[in-house]
Amino acid sequence: DAKTTQPPSMDCAEGRAANLPCNHSTISGNEYVYWYRQIHSQGPQYIIHGLKNNETNEMASLIITEDRKSSTLILPHATLRDTAVYYCIVRVWGGNNRLAFGKGNQVVVIP
Amino acid sequence: KAGVTQTPRYLIKTRGQQVTLSCSPISGHRSVSWYQQTPGQGLQFLFEYFSETQRNKGNFPGRFSGRQFSNSRSEMNVSTLELGDSALYLCASSPRTGEGEQFFGPGTRLTVL
Repeated sequence: DAKTTQPPSMDCAEGRAANLPCNHSTISGNEYVYWYRQIHSQGPQYIIHGLKNNETNEMASLIITEDRKSSTLILPHATLRDTAVYYCIVRVWGGNNRLAFGKGNQVVVIP
Repeated sequence: KAGVTQTPRYLIKTRGQQVTLSCSPISGHRSVSWYQQTPGQGLQFLFEYFSETQRNKGNFPGRFSGRQFSNSRSEMNVSTLELGDSALYLCASSPRTGEGEQFFGPGTRLTVL
């Protein structure tokens, strides 16, 4: 699975959009981008995934660049409950369920 | 639909003992994966079970083992506990194997003294 790079931490203002970057310059054509988050003392929570098209669900939007070497997770209106460690994971579809979590991005939403 | 449940939530053991942790997946889910989370190493994949068969295994010593029952419930066992085994153990379930979207339980916090 391709390696990802995220900033170790970032702050964002409550009520504003939070844009979380992820670099995956060695991504292969059959690898998807997944985002998870882990709120303190809880299990990780799946957020969204995509291959090359932008994706949106009730939690967030995922923007993948045309060359697929980077992506941005957008939380449209950040709330204090969005404070968490966010993980960007790249993996192929199928095979097994192994997820390779990196160090993630500690996002703090500030009132 | 009930989420993934793990028991016990907290456990204290001493070095040399063994421990068994339990995970009940979401109803209908047949794949269960286990992860270890420590401050130093982060979240690391232990193994995955699907239809009672181990599908994949992470880089952990043989002291870590698991199994899955016909109802998809899974257990993991750690024998001869070491201080470094203190961690949060998480299990995740999904309907099939090969799924990137998984549902995690709250974890079992194991402390080894």
